[in-house]
Formats: sequence, C-alpha cells, structure tokens
Amino acid sequence: EDKVVQSPLSLVVHEGDTVTLNCSYEVTNFRSLLWYKQEKKAPTFLFMLTSSGIEKKSGRLSSILDKKELFSILNITATQTGDSAIYLCAGNSNSGYALNFGKGTSLLVTP
Amino acid sequence: DSGVTQTPKHLITATGQRVTLRCSPRSGDLSVYWYQQSLDQGLQFLIQYYNGEERAKGNILERFSAQQFPDLHSELNLSSLELGDSALYFCASSAQGAANQPQHFGDGTRLSIL
Repeated sequence: EDKVVQSPLSLVVHEGDTVTLNCSYEVTNFRSLLWYKQEKKAPTFLFMLTSSGIEKKSGRLSSILDKKELFSILNITATQTGDSAIYLCAGNSNSGYALNFGKGTSLLVTP
Repeated sequence: DSGVTQTPKHLITATGQRVTLRCSPRSGDLSVYWYQQSLDQGLQFLIQYYNGEERAKGNILERFSAQQFPDLHSELNLSSLELGDSALYFCASSAQGAANQPQHFGDGTRLSIL
C-alpha cells in the first residue's frame, strides 16, 4: 500500500527562522512528488518534483527530491507570519490518478 | 485564486439526507478529482473523471456517486448521509490528468451533518 509520511507533525518557530519540513514516501510506480500549502481553504500548489537532486526554488521556499532514499524536504528561509499554514506532501504514480497525501506539517510562525 | 470553483461553500443537513456538491474546473482542464478531508484521515482521494468519463476510484463509499458533464463541470452526490460524512470536500482539476501535471484545488465545500 502506498504511504506518505511527513514530519514533524507540528512546528512553532520565530519570525526569521529557517525551517525544514520532511516527507518520506513509498509510492508504487512513482512519478512525482508535490508540495502544497493549506491555509484556511484550498491547498495551494507549491512545487512538483520529478527528478532527483534538482532543487526547485520560489522566493524563500525551496524543495528537493531524493529518489534513492525516497525522501523530499521543503525549506523555508527567513520565515514570516504569513508562512503559518499546514504544508502537505503528496506522491503521484505513473497512473496519474490520485494524489496520495501525507497528514501534513502544521507550521506556526510567531512574531 | 486557483480557478477551480466549488459550490456551495458550506452545507448543513441532517442524517439520512442527500446533497449535491458542484465543481467547475479551471478553464481548459479536462480532468476533475474529488477528495475528502477529515481531521483524522487527512486528504483522501474519492474519484477522478476525465473528459466526461470515470477514470479512477479511490475510497469512495457506495452511497456516494459523481459525474462529469459535457461542459466539464462535475457533481458529487452524497446520499443516506451519516454523521461520519461531515468533512471538507475538495475538487481539483488538471489539464490532462497525467502524473506530470499538478492538480489545482478549489476552496472546498464544508459539509456538516447534524
């Protein structure tokens, strides 16, 4: 059975700190790993990773995939209170159907 | 704004009732996915449609059904509702439904069963 596990479950940091969120996966016929940010409503797409070792970057957020170790990390530098959200990781297989989501990491950035 | 529109935003009903949730995908997207999010289970895939045809089924109960219409909007029908069906129901869409395309989510419909 496919499995996506995120850690930590919850994190509280001060503004300006750097955080690293972890995601390990076991997905049959793995094709891609996706990161989403969920505030009050819709999960918002952040990154899609398909190749090992290639960092994707968007502003203060970056992510990388290790297909050998079945692992991905999401880094957020110089955190701001607006980064407070639940960060979801999801694996996708070659079938392209369901996203298999982890339970998420709840990040709270305090002023 | 993802471009995926879901209505209604919030629905309150009683056990045993039937409801219909509606989703309009992003312009140009052919594939629609339905997910259920509850506190204990996280985001769970229910069903996918591609250009009007059912493509994949996940953990969808027999009391639930869906369809995608020629204009590509989709409806999720939930019947004989139980207290445990209370959850956030999300619709997502992608261009072709392939694994190399991200899914974009709507704001969800919050279903509360009393």
